[in-house]
Amino acid sequence: KQEVTQIPAALSVPEGENLVLNCSFTDSAIYNLQWFRQDPGKGLTSLLLIQSSQREQTSGRLNASLDKSSGRSTLYIAASQPGDSATYLCAVRPGWAGANSKLTFGKGITLSVRP
Amino acid sequence: EPEVTQTPSHQVTQMGQEVILRCVPISNHLYFYWYRQILGQKVEFLVSFYNNEISEKSEIFDDQFSVERPDGSNFTLKIRSTKLEDSAMYFCASSESVSLIYGYTFGSGTRLTVV
Repeated sequence: KQEVTQIPAALSVPEGENLVLNCSFTDSAIYNLQWFRQDPGKGLTSLLLIQSSQREQTSGRLNASLDKSSGRSTLYIAASQPGDSATYLCAVRPGWAGANSKLTFGKGITLSVRP
Repeated sequence: EPEVTQTPSHQVTQMGQEVILRCVPISNHLYFYWYRQILGQKVEFLVSFYNNEISEKSEIFDDQFSVERPDGSNFTLKIRSTKLEDSAMYFCASSESVSLIYGYTFGSGTRLTVV
């Protein structure tokens, strides 16, 4: 059974710092991995999607990497801003990407960026 | 950018009552899902739906739950007799195709409170 872990559960950094959020998964047979942002009491906003054949994806100040063989992904946030404060979740999809393949989520990392 | 729309954003109901949570997926998407997130816990899969039938359901999705796509645009989740432990944020999601190149798009959620 796939397990997704995100450690630490919470992180507080000063504005401007570059930071790395980690995600690990137990079963490396994944189809893709998706990073989401969740603001308090709100929905899930997709940030980046990495297919299993890719090593990284970039969008603006965000860069996500994937090392499938070691079961790890990182989300790099450059020059953090107070507006980046949110919970960041990673989710993996199993290697058999049929209609019934579901996402398994980590619990998320709650990021606070101090002005 | 296309969105998944969920209504209502917040619903309070008495224990034992029936509730229907509504979702309008992105129009050209073919695969539909319900997930839920109990406060402080992981987002967890409930059910996937394709071609007008359930593709997969989790052990959470018991006989109290049902899904329907009544009119080709709406996608609903019904809970027949709500329990206190059904209190959670419920997310609808859709995806374009089985290739999943673009990943999931989630709605902003319905917060269900059972009193």
